[in-house]
Amino acid sequence: GESVGLHLPTLSVQEGDNSIINCAYSNSASDYFIWYKQESGKGPQFIIDIRSNMDKRQGQRVTVLLNKTVKHLSLQIAATQPGDSAVYFCAEGGNQGGKLIFGQGTELSVKP
Amino acid sequence: GAGVSQSPSNKVTEKGKDVELRCDPISGHTALYWYRQSLGQGLEFLIYFQGNSAPDKSGLPSDRFSAERTGGSVSTLTIQRTQQEDSAVYLCASSLGGGTTGELFFGEGSRLTVL
Repeated sequence: GESVGLHLPTLSVQEGDNSIINCAYSNSASDYFIWYKQESGKGPQFIIDIRSNMDKRQGQRVTVLLNKTVKHLSLQIAATQPGDSAVYFCAEGGNQGGKLIFGQGTELSVKP
Repeated sequence: GAGVSQSPSNKVTEKGKDVELRCDPISGHTALYWYRQSLGQGLEFLIYFQGNSAPDKSGLPSDRFSAERTGGSVSTLTIQRTQQEDSAVYLCASSLGGGTTGELFFGEGSRLTVL
């Protein structure tokens, strides 16, 4: 079936460096994408979203890039901090009725 | 409270027993979702409610799984004759208008362990 997948299951970065987490999606009809952050023992928390009529959106220290040509989504975190350590999930929606389809997740580890 | 509330937070049960997991969404949120997360895995969609109806229950893994929502608010996920492979964290989320129009707000989950 169609799915959203991540290129890297784990990512380790130094505090202060920038982090890039990648995601590939397979449903070209999806028009809404979200990044979630999940800390250990907690539910996922919204980070940032983007619609398919955009290719870039910025938040506080985070940027999401969407490349519809190659069906690729990325999350950039600037000046990564220890508090950014978590599992990051991308999700796609918009043509799934109301549901979001989640990828497998990337674990980000920030070294002090 | 202001967030999505799930209970119980932890449930240990014996194989073959039935379990009920409860979700209290954010007040006013019309859409409610159930997802399942196995250890170290992503989120697996189970069912989606808009109001009290479930337009998409395609993710329910077997007929042992059912869910209902009453009064456009509280939802209960029921697993009958539990199996060890049902062990997972069951996450509930709600949103104002559904997954196409805004973020999902997740609860902290109900961790189910089937012995």
